[in-house]
Amino acid sequence: AQKITQTQPGMFVQEKEAVTLDCTYDTSDQSYGLFWYKQPSSGEMIFLIYQGSYDEQNATEGRYSLNFQKARKSANLVISASQLGDSAMYFCAMREYYGGSQGNLIFGKGTKLSVKP
Amino acid sequence: EAGVTQFPSHSVIEKGQTVTLRCDPISGHDNLYWYRRVMGKEIKFLLHFVKESKQDESGMPNNRFLAERTGGTYSTLKVQPAELEDSGVYFCASSQSRRTDTQYFGPGTRLTVL
Repeated sequence: AQKITQTQPGMFVQEKEAVTLDCTYDTSDQSYGLFWYKQPSSGEMIFLIYQGSYDEQNATEGRYSLNFQKARKSANLVISASQLGDSAMYFCAMREYYGGSQGNLIFGKGTKLSVKP
Repeated sequence: EAGVTQFPSHSVIEKGQTVTLRCDPISGHDNLYWYRRVMGKEIKFLLHFVKESKQDESGMPNNRFLAERTGGTYSTLKVQPAELEDSGVYFCASSQSRRTDTQYFGPGTRLTVL
């Protein structure tokens, strides 16, 4: 069964430092996508970054990068130069393109990141 | 360009009452999804529209939930009658024509059933 695991319920990072949020996934599908979303205290879900299963390069979007290790089935989010505004819940999600979920997102439980000044 | 909007942002109702949540997707997005997050648990898929048609409603918990998407534009999710376990945050997301396109989420509706 498809599953996303985020093992860190909460993380602290000092402002301006880098932080890695862990995400592992389980799927039998060969074609899938991995996503990270940010949910600040205001509640909206903000799309951050996407990695396709066939992408050879790790995805990057500004200060966000995705450390994709396909053999390990991990898709960790790296935030460089943390800012106070990065404090939020972060969700890892997966979508299978041909499997049972048919395009729906499967989410992990999330990691609450707190950035300290 | 306006993002996904949801109304209301909060709703507090008593058990047995009816509540209707509304979602307006990004203009031109054919795909519309409903998700729900119950306190302390993962965000779970409820259903998926492609234009006005229900593509997949396998995540709907029971027949007290009814979703519609009039004319392929906005969508409503009605809960009737509401039960305590329906409390949570209901998210709507939309994406463009391809099933593989990125889903953009609305701010959610926080539903509390007393």
